[in-house]
Amino acid sequence: DVKVTQSSRYLVKRTGEKVFLECVQDMDHENMFWYRQDPGLGLRLIYFSYDVKMKEKGDIPEGYSVSREKKERFSLILESASTNQTSMYLCASSFTLNTEAFFGQGTRLTVV
Amino acid sequence: TQLLEQSPQFLSIQEGENLTVYCNSSSVFSSLQWYRQEPGEGPVLLVTVVTGGEVKKLKRLTFQFGDARKDSSLHITAAQPGDTGLYLCAGGGTDAGGTSYGKLTFGQGTILTVHP
Repeated sequence: DVKVTQSSRYLVKRTGEKVFLECVQDMDHENMFWYRQDPGLGLRLIYFSYDVKMKEKGDIPEGYSVSREKKERFSLILESASTNQTSMYLCASSFTLNTEAFFGQGTRLTVV
Repeated sequence: TQLLEQSPQFLSIQEGENLTVYCNSSSVFSSLQWYRQEPGEGPVLLVTVVTGGEVKKLKRLTFQFGDARKDSSLHITAAQPGDTGLYLCAGGGTDAGGTSYGKLTFGQGTILTVHP
């Protein structure tokens, strides 16, 4: 059974903290994605990666960075967390950039 | 930029009713996927359609891809409370020649609530 695993289901962080969200996939997919999901705004792409050490900005990259040192792992970094980054964060992987995406269970991040 | 518009945004129905969710665009897509997301979880892929006019059935769910590959519909027959969730469509992009290109584009989603 294919799997995308996010390291935390729930996180509470303080404003200004550096936050790391980790994602691991076991499908040997080249492509990995980070989205945030907010009510009424749908899924918004933050960053994606199409190969190890390669990354591309999505639609809303400001305030975020990513790291992909190994094929199976894609990390999202909030350099200095702010309250407007409170959201549901979803990691996904796919065989090609625009085929079926397999999602993790999500991380509900609250910044206080 | 390719956009996908889903309608309706919200749907609240009684158990046993039928419903249809629509996913429309002015752009051609190489494929169209439907996902269901339950509260607090990530989206789960239901189906992929790739051929214009294609119809796929998954138990009480029927998915159709438009002939021109610009739109899709999801029809649920005799809805049950277990069908409650957020339904998302997503399209695979194409270049000017219609070849698969770019990233997935997601619709805004339809929140379905089925009351017992």
